[in-house]
Order: sequence, then structure tokens, then C-alpha cells
Amino acid sequence: GNSVTQMEGPVTLSEEAFLTINCTYTATGYPSLFWYVQYPGEGLQLLLKATKADDKGSNKGFEATYRKETTSFHLEKGSVQVSDSAVYFCALSDRDRGSTLGRLYFGRGTQLTVWP
Amino acid sequence: ETGVTQSPTHLIKTRGQQVTLRCSSQSGHNTVSWYQQALGQGPQFIFQYYREEENGRGNFPPRFSGLQFPNYSSELNVNALELDDSALYLCASSSRGYEQYFGPGTRLTVT
Repeated sequence: GNSVTQMEGPVTLSEEAFLTINCTYTATGYPSLFWYVQYPGEGLQLLLKATKADDKGSNKGFEATYRKETTSFHLEKGSVQVSDSAVYFCALSDRDRGSTLGRLYFGRGTQLTVWP
Repeated sequence: ETGVTQSPTHLIKTRGQQVTLRCSSQSGHNTVSWYQQALGQGPQFIFQYYREEENGRGNFPPRFSGLQFPNYSSELNVNALELDDSALYLCASSSRGYEQYFGPGTRLTVT
């Protein structure tokens, strides 16, 4: 079946520190991979995506590379800011070619707190 | 371009009651998915609607039901509410099935 495993939080960093949040997945077929971010009291925002092996998704200084050999999609940022404090969710989509399903499977989320 | 909207923002219901949550999809999107996010957990897929038909369902009992309307807006109905139904309910819309854009959610509390 399909599942996503994220590193346990919370993660606490000082401003300008390097961030890594680990994500591994189990999937049948060829999933697309996503990182979503959730700020307090809000819904989910798509942060970045990758649709095939070796693709690198990037946005707002965050990056993640789709590694099929290690079934991983780790999120990284070189220099975090206080405004990056949020919960980060790794997710995969099981949409097969020709299918309209595309349900998302989420990890449990990782709380990031950045101190000034 | 208007994003995904949901109503109401918050709701308090008593065990055994019924509730209806509403979602307006983003302009140009014909697919709506519903997710339940319990406190401290990742969202769990409830079901998806495509062109007014249910197009897949997660591991939720039949008392969770839905509708999609010709304008692609959607409702989630939950009957016989239980305490464990307390959660944030998220609606997401998409046009191709890959990128799902989420609304702000409805916080349901069952007492």
C-alpha cells in the first residue's frame, strides 16, 4: 500500500540555520510527491512538488529531490527564518496515468519552530 | 482568481446530531476531495468527487457522505456524530488530479 513516514518533531532552530526534514515513502506504481505547509489556524498550502524520479522541487528557498532508489523526498532549506515556523507535511499522490483519483497520503507532520 | 473557500469556519455539535460542511472549489477546478485532520495528525482522505460523482473513498463509514453540484461546489455530510469526529475538515480542489489546493478548513467540535 501507500504510506509516508516523516521524522518526528518538533524541530527547533535558530534563524539562519540549515533545515532538513526527512521523508520516506512506500508506494505502488509511480507516485508524485509533495510538501505542504500549514501555518497556525490555517489550511494546507502547497510548498513544492516533484512528479518523477530525480526531479527537484523548489519554492521560497525550500528544496526536495525525488529519490526513487532510497524512496525519499527530504525537505531542505539553507537558511531558515522566523516566518518559516509552521507544520510541514510530506505527501504522495497515487494518481495513475489516466486516473482522476489522485488521493493524497500524508505523513504525520513535523512542527518547525525558528527562534530569532 | 478565487481560491477554495469553506463554510462555516467553526462549528460545535452534540453527539448524535448531523452536520453539513460546504466547499467552493477554485475557479476552473472540477474535482473536490475531502480530508479529515485530527489534532496533531496528518490529513486523512475521506472521498473525492469528480463531475458530480463519487470517485474514490477512504476508510470512513457510510455516515460520511457527500455531494458535488454542477458548479463543482461540494458538501460533506456527517450523520450520527461521534466524539471522535471532532477534527479539522479540509476541502481541496484540483483540475488534473495532481495538484490539490486546500481551503482553510472547518473546525468541528463534537461534545
